[in-house]
Amino acid sequence: EAGVAQSPRYKIIEKRQSVAFWCNPISGHATLYWYQQILGQGPKLLIQFQNNGVVDDSQLPKDRFSAERLKGVDSTLKIQPAKLEDSAVYLCASRIIAGGSEDTQYFGPGTRLTVL
Amino acid sequence: AQSVTQLGSHVSVSEGALVLLRCNYSSSVPPYLFWYVQYPNQGLQLLLKYTTGATLVKGINGFEAEFKKSETSFHLTKPSAHMSDAAEYFCAVTYNYGQNFVFGPGTRLSVLP
Repeated sequence: EAGVAQSPRYKIIEKRQSVAFWCNPISGHATLYWYQQILGQGPKLLIQFQNNGVVDDSQLPKDRFSAERLKGVDSTLKIQPAKLEDSAVYLCASRIIAGGSEDTQYFGPGTRLTVL
Repeated sequence: AQSVTQLGSHVSVSEGALVLLRCNYSSSVPPYLFWYVQYPNQGLQLLLKYTTGATLVKGINGFEAEFKKSETSFHLTKPSAHMSDAAEYFCAVTYNYGQNFVFGPGTRLSVLP
């Protein structure tokens, strides 16, 4: 079974530029999460989707961050314009709501963003 | 608001020694608790989770954790450390399963030969 795919793996941009990250969840997983992990910290939830609807975006800085999950499969996270403090690893995770041991989040490898 | 603390940002043990990584959470309601491991340049992998039932939970790679409600703790242990256990470990909590996951700051485990 393929895991959660993310691209690009690394991105370096100048401040005030725009950037977009892409996530392809595990097939059949209805729930998708985006996390921001700043160096030395634990992941912080930015947004959670259930199919193509937003469940929780309370910690998403909506003045510069946006995310969408068209058709309830792939998702894109965008930052516009980027700030220095946005330098972090952006993790995508997906989950199948099935109960039991398989009902957990599966994480992708992340995209490491450096803002100069 | 729920929160997670992990005592010790860096723990070093010798190969073959006991591993103990500490996790405490703030709670006014029963939580769901998780331990994840993160290897360099990789995403997080679930080690184990507590939802309901038995308070001693066994996970992958020989790790286990015990939920102690009276101490609001969920410490991770492994009887004998292996070099391959060197990684970052994160404790996480949620009170509404599937939503509002809150992660601790992480503990980096080093295993010395």
